[in-house]
Parts: sequence; structure tokens; C-alpha cells
Amino acid sequence: DADVTQTPRNRITKTGKRIMLECSQTKGHDRMYWYRQDPGLGLQLIYYSFDVKDINKGEISDGYSVSRQAQAKFSLSLESAIPNQTALYFCATSAGRGLEQYFGPGTRLTVT
Amino acid sequence: QKEVEQNSGPLSVPEGAIASLNCTYSDRGSQSFFWYRQYSGKSPELIMFIYSNGDKEDGRFTAQLNKASQYVSLLIRDSQPSDSATYLCAVNVGYNKLIFGAGTRLAVHP
Repeated sequence: DADVTQTPRNRITKTGKRIMLECSQTKGHDRMYWYRQDPGLGLQLIYYSFDVKDINKGEISDGYSVSRQAQAKFSLSLESAIPNQTALYFCATSAGRGLEQYFGPGTRLTVT
Repeated sequence: QKEVEQNSGPLSVPEGAIASLNCTYSDRGSQSFFWYRQYSGKSPELIMFIYSNGDKEDGRFTAQLNKASQYVSLLIRDSQPSDSATYLCAVNVGYNKLIFGAGTRLAVHP
């Protein structure tokens, strides 16, 4: 089984709809991250969480919200989706400060 | 604004050659550096990390770090067609946050 899983893997939604992307991990890591990737661009950090009670905004948090339901689960919500949120979304985990991050398989989101 | 710069490529090398991928970063306080490989439509996969100046070797891969010049590179020896991918450089900028470059696309041709 994969250590970091994301659901759904693909999603097409309409402008204005609320959508939630979910991430679960079995690596036992305390730190979790949400990134988006647009074609030809690097990964941009949306939100990150160091534990259940610690959630922080990244570079591009506007239009997004998150929930850390448990150490192993971190969800990303788009309250009212817009077309420029069409992108590939990745969840990642890390065991601690300064250490490498491990990525889930990604969710391809299209907003029409 | 902390930045990580990479040449977008494509970098085209023949099979069996050495591929050299370069990355520069702006934050002098950065202490750890990572190289990820990403196949089209897939998630980034960690290849190497390096914390100290100098070279670090792992199989066909060598990471090189020069903090004074704010430069990190990845060498791939005996390049194979399966190495064709986009390589992302990532730099730790504190609080376990990574800043990623846009990546260099590598094409290894037979």
C-alpha cells in the first residue's frame, strides 16, 4: 500500500462549487503539506501543518482552506472553485525539521 | 522573495553520457537541499539530499553543493533513457518549508 494517498485522483467541477481534496498517510510523519503545480511552474506551497493544532498559510493560500483531522489526515478545500485553480495538487509529508518531504500521487483538478 | 532558479531545458544528452543539472538559490541561510525527479503527470520522487559543502554520491547520482556561490548541482552518470524526466531542485528555507525551482527537463536519447 502507498504511504501517502490522495483522493480523488481526478476531479472535474464547475465554477462556484465547493470541493475537498483528501490526503492520508501511514508514514507516521507529523508534518503535512499541500502544494499546487501548474504547467511549467514549480510547486507552490498552499498550507502546511506541523501537528493537529498547528496550521500555517503558505505562499498561495487565498481561496483555499485546510483541516487537519488527525495526525494522518490533512484535507484541502476550495470553498468556491474558480477556473484558475485548475492544477495538479500534491500532498506531502515530512518526519521533522529540515528533512526530506515525500509526496502523494496527486489530484488533477479541473474547474470549468 | 526567496527564489530557486533552474534552467528549464530541455537538456538533451546521449545515452551513456553525463547529465549536469544546475540550480541557484537566493537565501544564504538555507541549510538543506534536495533533488526530486518527476515523470510527466506523476508525483515528485526524492533522489538526493545534501546538507554539507562538497559532493555526495549515490549510485549514478552525485549532488554537489557550494554554499558560498549559492549553487547546487546534480550529475547523472551513464544516463539512460529512463532518466528522461523533469528534475526539481528544492531548498529548505526554514521551518521545514521547501522552495522549489520550476525544474529542468532532461531528455536522454539512444
